[in-house]
Amino acid sequence: NAGVTQTPKFQVLKTGQSMTLQCAQDMNHEYMSWYRQDPGMGLRLIHYSVGAGITDQGEVPNGYNVSRSTTEDFPLRLLSAAPSQTSVYFCASSLDYRTGYTFGSGTRLTVV
Amino acid sequence: KQEVTQIPAALSVPEGENLVLNCSFTDSAIYNLQWFRQDPGKGLTSLLLIQSSQREQTSGRLNASLDKSSGRSTLYIAASQPGDSATYLCAVNRGSTLGRLYFGRGTQLTVWP
Repeated sequence: NAGVTQTPKFQVLKTGQSMTLQCAQDMNHEYMSWYRQDPGMGLRLIHYSVGAGITDQGEVPNGYNVSRSTTEDFPLRLLSAAPSQTSVYFCASSLDYRTGYTFGSGTRLTVV
Repeated sequence: KQEVTQIPAALSVPEGENLVLNCSFTDSAIYNLQWFRQDPGKGLTSLLLIQSSQREQTSGRLNASLDKSSGRSTLYIAASQPGDSATYLCAVNRGSTLGRLYFGRGTQLTVWP
């Protein structure tokens, strides 16, 4: 099994550009989440999903959109990139709320 | 809101020492707590998952304990090795069916030969 796959691994954007961070899992996990990790701030939840067609906002959702059309995929869209969105982004998945989470290897995003 | 604190923020020890990393959380209504390891520039690797009904979990040289009523968990690493050098994160799965994790800021561990 591949686990949780994130693409791309690195990305540089100009302010105002849009892009989609991809996340896919092959474990038939219902729960998926997006986190951002910043120095001194720890990991913070952006958006999460408890199943296909169901998404909700986390702690820092502004500037990001998500959708969950399939169980496998949970893309994160940056609508208009800002330097404050420079961060490392992690996608995670879990079978349900009782089981542990598996994390992807991350996407390092720089907005200039 | 669930607040998770990890102490110490950094720890530097010689090889072979037994050590304890601490994690505390403010809301005891949790489903489980998960310990992760993160190497520089890498993703998070799950080490141990403790359900709220459990007292401890063990994997090799690692032992994690949970005292839900006092809001504390410890990660015990026996006979530390340089390869254990990494940042250790604890994450609490708050007591709801939403599966949201609340993370501490981590303990950066350095084990020197």
